Amino acid sequence: GENVEQHPSTLSVQEGDSAVIKCTYSDSASNYFPWYKQELGKGPQLIIDIRSNVGEKKDQRIAVTLNKTAKHFSLHITETQPEDSAVYFCAARSLGGKLIFGQGTELSVKP
Amino acid sequence: GAGVSQSPSNKVTEKGKDVELRCDPISGHTALYWYRQSLGQGLEFLIYFQGNSAPDKSGLPSDRFSAERTGGSVSTLTIQRTQQEDSAVYLCASSLGGDEQFFGPGTRLTVL
Repeated sequence: GENVEQHPSTLSVQEGDSAVIKCTYSDSASNYFPWYKQELGKGPQLIIDIRSNVGEKKDQRIAVTLNKTAKHFSLHITETQPEDSAVYFCAARSLGGKLIFGQGTELSVKP
Repeated sequence: GAGVSQSPSNKVTEKGKDVELRCDPISGHTALYWYRQSLGQGLEFLIYFQGNSAPDKSGLPSDRFSAERTGGSVSTLTIQRTQQEDSAVYLCASSLGGDEQFFGPGTRLTVL
């Protein structure tokens, strides 16, 4: 079955700097790759996603890149702000329909 | 509109007791998912309901875990004879059969 690895597990950046989180997946049939943000005490919330027919997608300060050959995808956050501090999860969806999540990255943005 | 709701928000139980966790998905959403999130860990898939199809139970960790979805809407996750290792946050999500899953706030289960 699908396996998703996420790195780093913790990331601390200064406000205004960029943050990059990377994930790899194992199932070459996976076709959908969302990123979720989870704030303390809340459920995860989708922030951006990408499908396997696209190499990059941007939404304001957030971008995701996908390398299907290498089976890895990354989340890029530019001009980080303290409110970006949260746990971020990547996920991959195989043909069966269920999402397999990475272990999460705790991002801390220091003012 | 209302999002996904879960109840109770917190549940403390004694080892060996049964517990029921409830999920109310967004109205009209055909797909419903249960996940388990242990402290500091990722989301572990448990079970997936899609319309009237047989559920995908491949993530249930043991036969003490079961789930139902009545009338294609509300779902109940039942854990029988709870163990301390069952302590976690149980998250429910629903989707319109498409890609984005909308998560509820979770139920924090503590087994003493």
